[in-house]
Amino acid sequence: SYELTQPPSVSVSPGQTASITCSGDKLGDKYVCWYQQKPGQSPMLVIYQNYKRPSGIPERFSGSNFGNTATLTISGTQAIDEADYYCQAWDSTTAAFGGGTKVTVL
Amino acid sequence: QVQLVQSGAEVKKPGSSVKVSCKASGGTFSNYEISWVRQAPGQGLEWVGGTIPMFATINNAQKFQGRVKITADKSTSTAYMDLSSLRSEDTAMYYCARGVGATPSQYAFDIWGQGTMVTVSS
Repeated sequence: SYELTQPPSVSVSPGQTASITCSGDKLGDKYVCWYQQKPGQSPMLVIYQNYKRPSGIPERFSGSNFGNTATLTISGTQAIDEADYYCQAWDSTTAAFGGGTKVTVL
Repeated sequence: QVQLVQSGAEVKKPGSSVKVSCKASGGTFSNYEISWVRQAPGQGLEWVGGTIPMFATINNAQKFQGRVKITADKSTSTAYMDLSSLRSEDTAMYYCARGVGATPSQYAFDIWGQGTMVTVSS
């Protein structure tokens, strides 16, 4: 099965930039999505097709995907951005999720 | 706006089966992909499988082959996940999610159900 690897945690100060990586074999050849999940809530799509933002997602969320690594960047991080973030991609007809990264806003 | 509404929490014995439903309201159903994703307590997201009701296509994660059955009833806009031979490790929140995109490789899960907690315990 296809594996996606994320760092378990990232810490960021309010107003600073948080970067979350997601690594996988030839990941740059695939489309990557990112989901935000807060405690007790269902996941929410924040980035799709590598860099596109769904309606209602703030501009401070951006994404990129090159080579073997996709990156979710949160610019000007706010306290409300504290959550778990998961990357996801399709390998043929199977979906794979990364293990998740807990973003802490200190 | 489409919403996905799932059935209520379940408590099951090891070795038994559970069937979870996911009803779409407020929009079309059969044109989209519907996936099932689970999350064990304190753990990450894990894709179980999915279906495109319009084409009756079904794909499952290899880990669940032979134990999971995913179906959809277009007339009621409801998808179902049936998991058999339950064990304690299947204790998790099970979510349904709508996949959208021009091609399967582009599917993004843009709408999620509220989740159904399945507890497997003797």
